[in-house]
Amino acid sequence: GQQVMQIPQYQHVQEGEDFTTYCNSSTTLSNIQWYKQRPGGHPVFLIQLVKSGEVKKQKRLTFQFGEAKKNSSLHITATQTTDVGTYFCAGPDSGTYKYIFGTGTRLKVLA
Amino acid sequence: EAGVVQSPRYKIIEKKQPVAFWCNPISGHNTLYWYRQNLGQGPELLIRYENEEAVDDSQLPKDRFSAERLKGVDSTLKIQPAELGDSAVYLCASSSRWGTISTDTQYFGPGTRLTVL
Repeated sequence: GQQVMQIPQYQHVQEGEDFTTYCNSSTTLSNIQWYKQRPGGHPVFLIQLVKSGEVKKQKRLTFQFGEAKKNSSLHITATQTTDVGTYFCAGPDSGTYKYIFGTGTRLKVLA
Repeated sequence: EAGVVQSPRYKIIEKKQPVAFWCNPISGHNTLYWYRQNLGQGPELLIRYENEEAVDDSQLPKDRFSAERLKGVDSTLKIQPAELGDSAVYLCASSSRWGTISTDTQYFGPGTRLTVL
């Protein structure tokens, strides 16, 4: 069945360092969303990408959607302690429209 | 604007007991999702409603789980009987989709943390 894997599973960085998480789907996605979940909290929507090759920026965060619409990345420049949490990609399969979340990348930022 | 409301926030029950979770989506959102999230994992979709219709319930363990969304607004997810492995956080989310895939942004409620003893 459809799988959405994220790497790395965990990442510890020093405050000020950059961070990147990669999302890879076994099937083509219609669109992709990124969510952030703080410890003990619920997923909070960050951004949606729809077009092949699309790139969007939100302050220190840069999101990319791959040309084949099967992969995506989230890059954080100069991490801050407020960036701590688990980052999930998610999206609907373009054929079945089944919605699936990625496995997540847990980020810890050391002050 | 109020967000997605869920209740209860926490529930502790003994195995074989029934349990129900309630969700009130954001006003005007026609699509409602129920997810189960185990510790350290991503949310797993259980069922998706578009208005009153369950359009994807392929991941719902139908022998013990049931859901309903009468009148296309509030929804209830039930487990009967609960098993030890059902301990998890049950998340409800809603979105506004009117026949187009591109507006599938989901807004999540705080979740119900279920502990089955």
